[in-house]
Amino acid sequence: DIQMTQSPSTLSASVGDRVTITCRASQSISSWLAWYQQKPGKAPKLLIYKASSLESGVPSRFSGSGSGTEFTLTISSLQPDDFATYYCQQYNSYSGMCSFGQGTKLEIK
Amino acid sequence: QLQLQESGPGLVKPSETLSLTCTVSGGSISSSSYYWGWIRQPPGKGLEWIGSIYYSGSTYYNPSLKSRVTISVDTSKNQFSLKLSSVTAADTAVYYCASLSGSYVSRWGQGTLVTVSS
Repeated sequence: DIQMTQSPSTLSASVGDRVTITCRASQSISSWLAWYQQKPGKAPKLLIYKASSLESGVPSRFSGSGSGTEFTLTISSLQPDDFATYYCQQYNSYSGMCSFGQGTKLEIK
Repeated sequence: QLQLQESGPGLVKPSETLSLTCTVSGGSISSSSYYWGWIRQPPGKGLEWIGSIYYSGSTYYNPSLKSRVTISVDTSKNQFSLKLSSVTAADTAVYYCASLSGSYVSRWGQGTLVTVSS
């Protein structure tokens, strides 16, 4: 099984800050990495797929990068609506299985 | 616009089988553009992948749940289903059905809370 490790688990930041969340895979997943945003009581929302492709309708302040085993999600200038929990998700093209990171809670400082 | 809706009992007794159905609207469950999956989230915790099924019928299950999980498709009803046997309190979670486009979840159902309790 491929394990996904996100860091940090919690991040405190202010409106206007640039923040970066990291996701590491236990083995190479090429670019099969997606990022989601989840707010309390709601289903997750897709932000980024294939490591760096921005989902339609998602603000351009969100960006993703990386390949192989290390990936990042960057929010260039935090907005009040961005305070939420973020998850990475990998897809193993050999086994057809997926798994999620443990999540990063982005809090207001 | 593809939409998914979970349905099923909100309360299941320990040792029994949890059964949920996801109804797909706005598209065909037989489409090769998507495949279908189940994800769960225990209260206050992170997301856990349960498994997925392709239109061909091929299934992929989380190894930690594989012995208890069955995912199936009913093309006549445009639905897919989840069965999880021998449930315990640890299976209490919000269960989401989802459509997947290649490597990622493109659509989520709203989620349904299933509580395991006697």
